[in-house]
Amino acid sequence: KNEVEQSPQNLTAQEGEFITINCSYSVGISALHWLQQHPGGGIVSLFMLSSGKKKHGRLIATINIQEKHSSLHITASHPRDSAVYICAVRSDNQFYFGTGTSLTVIP
Amino acid sequence: DTGVSQNPRHKITKRGQNVTFRCDPISEHNRLYWYRQTLGQGPEFLTYFQNEAQLEKSRLLSDRFSAERPKGSFSTLEIQRTEQGDSAMYLCASSLGQGGRGYTFGSGTRLTVV
Repeated sequence: KNEVEQSPQNLTAQEGEFITINCSYSVGISALHWLQQHPGGGIVSLFMLSSGKKKHGRLIATINIQEKHSSLHITASHPRDSAVYICAVRSDNQFYFGTGTSLTVIP
Repeated sequence: DTGVSQNPRHKITKRGQNVTFRCDPISEHNRLYWYRQTLGQGPEFLTYFQNEAQLEKSRLLSDRFSAERPKGSFSTLEIQRTEQGDSAMYLCASSLGQGGRGYTFGSGTRLTVV
């Protein structure tokens, strides 16, 4: 069993839709990261969370430490949001990654 | 600062050869991380440095892999006696402290072992 599980694996949305990507983890963590990987392979760090909620533009990330669960929300989705979104956790100086959620936003 | 730079971008090598990759982090970032990503999978943590000290290595990392960051600036990742299973994208990232939102990733080095 993977330490980090993401759902869904693939997601197709119409432009403008509200999108939620979920991440569950099974280890104790000191921080959780949401990453965005574009088709060319480049990775951008979106958020680092240890509690609560963070917002940046149209992106919102939440974490519930007790439930070991985090969500990434995208409001008013746009085709340029199409990418793979990866959840990663830091636990005992090890890092564990989910396999990613591939998002396609259709105009 | 142009971000995190990785060289080479692509490397093709014969099985059994040694390869070395280089990562130049953002200059003020004291932490540097190496990851490996195979096709269709999420990144896998390999190791990280704080300044020149290697603080953690993945339990999955073979003895054939070694990384250095001799002066706390650039880092090298060497793979000895490469195997076909080593074919992957090798990613480097850097951060200042634990990063906050400030992890910056390089474009990666794609290794193909034939």
